[in-house]
Amino acid sequence: DVKVTQSSRYLVKRTGEKVFLECVQDMDHENMFWYRQDPGLGLRLIYFSYDVKMKEKGDIPEGYSVSREKKERFSLILESASTNQTSMYLCASSLWRGRYNEQFFGPGTRLTVL
Amino acid sequence: KQEVTQIPAALSVPEGENLVLNCSFTDSAIYNLQWFRQDPGKGLTSLLLIQSSQREQTSGRLNASLDKSSGRSTLYIAASQPGDSATYLCAGSGGGADGLTFGKGTHLIIQP
Repeated sequence: DVKVTQSSRYLVKRTGEKVFLECVQDMDHENMFWYRQDPGLGLRLIYFSYDVKMKEKGDIPEGYSVSREKKERFSLILESASTNQTSMYLCASSLWRGRYNEQFFGPGTRLTVL
Repeated sequence: KQEVTQIPAALSVPEGENLVLNCSFTDSAIYNLQWFRQDPGKGLTSLLLIQSSQREQTSGRLNASLDKSSGRSTLYIAASQPGDSATYLCAGSGGGADGLTFGKGTHLIIQP
């Protein structure tokens, strides 16, 4: 079974802090993704990566950056956390073969910024 | 830009009924249509993925169909059980290594 893990289930940070959210997958998938989920807005794509050291902006990249130094690990960075970044953050990975692209999700990190 | 809509937003049915959840999308260039289940406060569990070359996929009591020409997908749940209570999300992507565009989900309650 595909396993996607996230470093924390719950996180509380203060405004202005630098925040790191870590995601690790154990299935040698090329692609990794970060989404946020908010009531009424659904899931929205922040960033994704299709290879080590490669990154692409999603629909809402402002205020975020990412790092992918190893194939299995994809980090989301909030350079200076703000209250409007309070959300549920979900990481996913996928194996891309031909045009087949099934995504598998981690358990999520609920981040509260005070 | 792809938009995905799920109707209804919420559904409550008695145990044992067969039911259909609906998903519509605006861009027929969709290649992968994936259905997920999400329990409260948890991550997403992948249920079924349909590619544009397929018309349907089945897993146990679940059957998902895809009609690109009409911009619709349905998830059929047979003989519903209280354990099926969850939010069901559909999401689509193109043929590249890109992210998913999600609907806002259908919150399903199966009454014992």
